[in-house]
Amino acid sequence: AQSVTQPDIHITVSEGASLELRCNYSYGATPYLFWYVQSPGQGLQLLLKYFSGDTLVQGIKGFEAEFKRSQSSFNLRKPSVHWSDAAEYFCAVGGTASKLTFGTGTRLQVTL
Amino acid sequence: SAVISQKPSRDICQRGTSLTIQCQVDSQVTMMFWYRQQPGQSLTLIATANQGSEATYESGFVIDKFPISRPNLTFSTLTVSNMSPEDSSIYLCSVESSWLAGYTFGSGTRLTVV
Repeated sequence: AQSVTQPDIHITVSEGASLELRCNYSYGATPYLFWYVQSPGQGLQLLLKYFSGDTLVQGIKGFEAEFKRSQSSFNLRKPSVHWSDAAEYFCAVGGTASKLTFGTGTRLQVTL
Repeated sequence: SAVISQKPSRDICQRGTSLTIQCQVDSQVTMMFWYRQQPGQSLTLIATANQGSEATYESGFVIDKFPISRPNLTFSTLTVSNMSPEDSSIYLCSVESSWLAGYTFGSGTRLTVV
């Protein structure tokens, strides 16, 4: 069975500081990995995805994630956080033409 | 990537009634997925809808409670039947736009049952 663990429920960072959100997954084959962001009252927006190839993936809004097969991880990073980045972040794993399994989410708070 | 129009965006319903949520996609897609996001929780898949066949439901979800229609490759509906306050959630549809684009989500339907 596939699963995703996001160990940090809530993270607070100062504006301009760096950010890393953790994600560990369990999947029986080559995983397709995703990071989504959900602002309050909004739908899900895809930040980035990993299917294959380069293990460092660049996304929108200055985010990047690194796939580490040996650690079953797909951590999300941003070098300098902006106040507008405050939102809920979800990591998900799945395969093509199949369902996604989501982690429980990490709520990011940004202090000015 | 595909663009999904989901409606209604929100509704407040009386217990015991039913609500039908619609998702329209701007391109033909084979599979559509329906998710539920309970307050403060993550997303849980309700069912997968393929055109021309019965939807496939995940454990804990049944067709009598969440009937799904998929009349063509661009449209699907999810009905929440005989609602109770426990059904208060955000319901989202999703499609796999393409192998490269990944999965796109509708903007969600925020349902409150009173």
